[in-house]
Amino acid sequence: DAKTTQPPSMDCAEGRAANLPCNHSTISGNEYVYWYRQIHSQGPQYIIHGLKNNETNEMASLIITEDRKSSTLILPHATLRDTAVYYCIVRVVDYGGSQGNLIFGKGTKLSVKP
Amino acid sequence: GAGVSQSPSNKVTEKGKDVELRCDPISGHTALYWYRQSLGQGLEFLIYFQGNSAPDKSGLPSDRFSAERTGGSVSTLTIQRTQQEDSAVYLCASSLVPGFTYEQYFGPGTRLTVT
Repeated sequence: DAKTTQPPSMDCAEGRAANLPCNHSTISGNEYVYWYRQIHSQGPQYIIHGLKNNETNEMASLIITEDRKSSTLILPHATLRDTAVYYCIVRVVDYGGSQGNLIFGKGTKLSVKP
Repeated sequence: GAGVSQSPSNKVTEKGKDVELRCDPISGHTALYWYRQSLGQGLEFLIYFQGNSAPDKSGLPSDRFSAERTGGSVSTLTIQRTQQEDSAVYLCASSLVPGFTYEQYFGPGTRLTVT
């Protein structure tokens, strides 16, 4: 079973920030938070990941609470092309070791509207 | 550079036939994964290859499913005696191990329809 809880759907106005929450209250100390998204009829795409510090890249920002029990993915200026299902995943990262599969939950279907 | 490629993109087969799905991972990626996604469902892990280690087959739903990876590169997922419930999009992913992000790069998938 997935270790994360996400709302099933969200709407966002084009050009506004999209804030997608994720609860992972049972996260372990060596588990990272990963976000992927899946645009309709495409394979999933990596967005960002983090351990405890906030992270930012060209696609998004990831805000992780101090107790690490929840996080928020922020798309600062959502466009229509950001309409997708967003998956929050927790996984162990063992540098140099075997990684294993991703466990996908049902994700959040984000609809960006004009 | 080239991403993960899969072939065929679509496959329609009759119930009871065998099918082979192919995945070409990104060059140099040592880890390769197969997932499937049934209509309206999430992604379900099937099998994982890492270098020369024995594959993790824990996600294969039945013994009709098998996969191999030749030469540490191309992988083939075989489904024998296909059933209608096998209809799904089969996704392949690869990742560079070791690597900081262990990001998995997904292919476009093969849509399998069993009639």
